[in-house]
Amino acid sequence: DGGITQSPKYLFRKEGQNVTLSCEQNLNHDAMYWYRQDPGQGLRLIYYSQIVNDFQKGDIAEGYSVSREKKESFPLTVTSAQKNPTAFYLCASSKQTDQETQYFGPGTRLLVL
Amino acid sequence: GENVEQHPSTLSVQEGDSAVIKCTYSDSASNYFPWYKQELGKRPQLIIDIRSNVGEKKDQRIAVTLNKTAKHFSLHITETQPEDSAVYFCAGMYSGGGADGLTFGKGTHLIIQP
Repeated sequence: DGGITQSPKYLFRKEGQNVTLSCEQNLNHDAMYWYRQDPGQGLRLIYYSQIVNDFQKGDIAEGYSVSREKKESFPLTVTSAQKNPTAFYLCASSKQTDQETQYFGPGTRLLVL
Repeated sequence: GENVEQHPSTLSVQEGDSAVIKCTYSDSASNYFPWYKQELGKRPQLIIDIRSNVGEKKDQRIAVTLNKTAKHFSLHITETQPEDSAVYFCAGMYSGGGADGLTFGKGTHLIIQP
């Protein structure tokens, strides 16, 4: 999982502001994912992408958007429509075959000013 | 969709004793069940996983069992050590033709008492 990086480590958002979280991987994985982690809630799936230029909504996609223009990159934008964005955001990737292990990045902690 | 329940939420054991964490899942089509360990402020790390074609898997002090009929799976840690203290998450996934996201349990905070 050392091949997945996320930036920044900490991010502060002002009211009404959109912010973008970066996720990059050099593992040549086809599939990438975004999860949100809140205390006592475990991890919840926001969006996932099985291949370049394709992505699907997860369980809590409202207020978020993604793009997958390159295989190694899967940025997540937290829009102003997300009313409770404070959380720990984790990106993951896996090979595009059945039942493959997902490897996580180090995470970005988003805080609202 | 899939629903994964995990128990207990907190588990305290004496160093050297065994720890067991249990999870149930709702979707009988789920066929991949990983366990992750997460230390405070860090990324989840895969510690063991099991696929639906086997009933048990072991890796040194860690083992996972799967009961497909009852739709539950368990993590067993033997001879616990202080470095086992962390939050453990179970997860389930159906991957029948593509890679979808994992559905996680809410986690178990394992505390190893010296």
